Amino acid sequence: QKEVEQDPGPLSVPEGAIVSLNCTYSNSAFQYFMWYRQYSRKGPELLMYTYSSGNKEDGRFTAQVDKSSKYISLFIRDSQPSDSATYLCAMSVGANSKLTFGKGITLSVRP
Amino acid sequence: GAVVSQHPSRVICKSGTSVKIECRSLDFQATTMFWYRQFPKQSLMLMATSNEGSKATYEQGVEKDKFLINHASLTLSTLTVTSAHPEDSSFYICSAGKREVEFFGPGTRLTVL
Repeated sequence: QKEVEQDPGPLSVPEGAIVSLNCTYSNSAFQYFMWYRQYSRKGPELLMYTYSSGNKEDGRFTAQVDKSSKYISLFIRDSQPSDSATYLCAMSVGANSKLTFGKGITLSVRP
Repeated sequence: GAVVSQHPSRVICKSGTSVKIECRSLDFQATTMFWYRQFPKQSLMLMATSNEGSKATYEQGVEKDKFLINHASLTLSTLTVTSAHPEDSSFYICSAGKREVEFFGPGTRLTVL
């Protein structure tokens, strides 16, 4: 079993849809959880960061962490064509520790 | 903000030459920087962890003599691909650690002819 499993893609949705992206993990030592967005031929961009169970909202994005179930999610409301990218979940055990990534899911938002 | 730059953004070289890639944290100090490579349609593969003032820690299977890493200051790490070959062609991305989060550079596309 891989340490981090991410729902496989690709995912295609119409503009305005609510998107749900999910990752599960097996290592209970993970304490910090991140979502990155990566456009083609660019470096990943940090979208959301959280370290506790619960929800964290930033504009159209909501990150959800359930440590008891070892499950994290990213919700995108009112999705836009500009949201079309690859989304990577990542987690770490502590500061300056290496990140463990999911495989990434490619999202396409159709106009 | 947390901005990380990489230079060059793209490089084409002949087989057998060495290529240096720079990674800089522009508005924060990073004791730890990371180097990744990424093949098309694949996730990031960690190559090494670079700590300022000490030797880098390489992931299993990564040749330390081929991929030389230097982290001479809190804002600069360099990756040198020595005696590059076509199979080294890839997208190389660095990141800099700021507390528990990594901020990534824009990447360097290396093509070895």
